[in-house]
Amino acid sequence: GIQVEQSPPDLILQEGANSTLRCNFSDSVNNLQWFHQNPWGQLINLFYIPSGTKQNGRLSATTVATERYSLLYISSSQTTDSGVYFCAVVGFAQGGKLIFGQGTELSVKP
Amino acid sequence: EAQVTQNPRYLITVTGKKLTVTCSQNMNHEYMSWYRQDPGLGLRQIYYSMNVEVTDKGDVPEGYKVSRKEKRNFPLILESPSPNQTSLYFCASSLGAGGQETQYFGPGTRLLVL
Repeated sequence: GIQVEQSPPDLILQEGANSTLRCNFSDSVNNLQWFHQNPWGQLINLFYIPSGTKQNGRLSATTVATERYSLLYISSSQTTDSGVYFCAVVGFAQGGKLIFGQGTELSVKP
Repeated sequence: EAQVTQNPRYLITVTGKKLTVTCSQNMNHEYMSWYRQDPGLGLRQIYYSMNVEVTDKGDVPEGYKVSRKEKRNFPLILESPSPNQTSLYFCASSLGAGGQETQYFGPGTRLLVL
């Protein structure tokens, strides 16, 4: 099956810093989503981005489907950005099953 | 507000006592699924449903049952819970079943089985 690898596994930032999170996947995908899991455990949709670039406020994401990777950019980080960021993909002929990466745990210090 | 809801949000129970976790969506989505999240194992799919009366096993279906009698509801049933089912459970839904749409997740249910 499809493998999803995220890097780095952990990241500590000072408030105001920028960061880039990476997601590599091993096969072509129908769907790629980025999620933020907050300290209360809730999974928050950030982007649906099987290809191309999207921006939402301080967050943006780029997926290069032909090279099988996606990047999540966080600019001017805030303490509320802390939590775990997951990349998840759906492979072709896999129905709707999301395959999740292991996540990047981000800690933003004041 | 478009959303996926789950109840209860937190549950402590004992081994063998049947329980049901409800999931409901108000977006008229065809596809619904259940995931569990465990430390070191990540998120894994338990069951999914392509539409009413159509359900199928995911990667870790043992010990669980589901039903899809109405489009909006997709309950997860643990007939005889065991401690290894202690986990964080998520329900998710999307408009279609082809995997090409955004999947929306419920707030999660934390289950502890003693």
